[in-house]
Amino acid sequence: ILNVEQSPQSLHVQEGDSTNFTCSFPSSNFYALHWYRWETAKSPEALFVMTLNGDEKKKGRISATLNTKEGYSYLYIKGSQPEDSATYLCAFIGQAGTALIFGKGTTLSVSS
Amino acid sequence: DGGITQSPKYLFRKEGQNVTLSCEQNLNHDAMYWYRQDPGQGLRLIYYSQIVNDFQKGDIAEGYSVSREKKESFPLTVTSAQKNPTAFYLCASSTPGTGRNSPLHFGNGTRLTVT
Repeated sequence: ILNVEQSPQSLHVQEGDSTNFTCSFPSSNFYALHWYRWETAKSPEALFVMTLNGDEKKKGRISATLNTKEGYSYLYIKGSQPEDSATYLCAFIGQAGTALIFGKGTTLSVSS
Repeated sequence: DGGITQSPKYLFRKEGQNVTLSCEQNLNHDAMYWYRQDPGQGLRLIYYSQIVNDFQKGDIAEGYSVSREKKESFPLTVTSAQKNPTAFYLCASSTPGTGRNSPLHFGNGTRLTVT
């Protein structure tokens, strides 16, 4: 059974803090790793789709790195703002996979 | 604006009744998906469809059925055989193919409560 783990489950930071969380996935037969942001009362929104080992993607203050050999990805948020409060989901798909496998998410709360 | 519309937002049913959740997209996407979310769990795949008139079971298909008669529509029926139907249901779409390296686009979800 393929498993995708995200840590921490939740965290609370102050406005301006930088933070990061982890997504762990099977390191064999990797195909792609997705990151989504899910704000309350909204639909999940795609942040990044990563396919290459060592890849780093950036969108504003949010960036992500990928290590397919050891099976992890980090999501970084620089200078957190209250509008960054959301649940961040990662999802893995392997070479033989036909659909994404989601982690349980990391819920970020940013206070002003 | 293009997007995915799920209706209704909230749905209440009595145990033993079948219920159909609607999902419509105007993104011209080939692939569509149904996920279920329960508290403390990740999104779990129920069914997906890569093309009209074809669909495959996901990890938790028992007690559910789908159809894909039109590219734009992928309704999900929760049957009385589903043991724990109360959950939040999300529909998504992607193109091309199966969302392997193209992002999923999600609807706003339907919260189903069965009593």
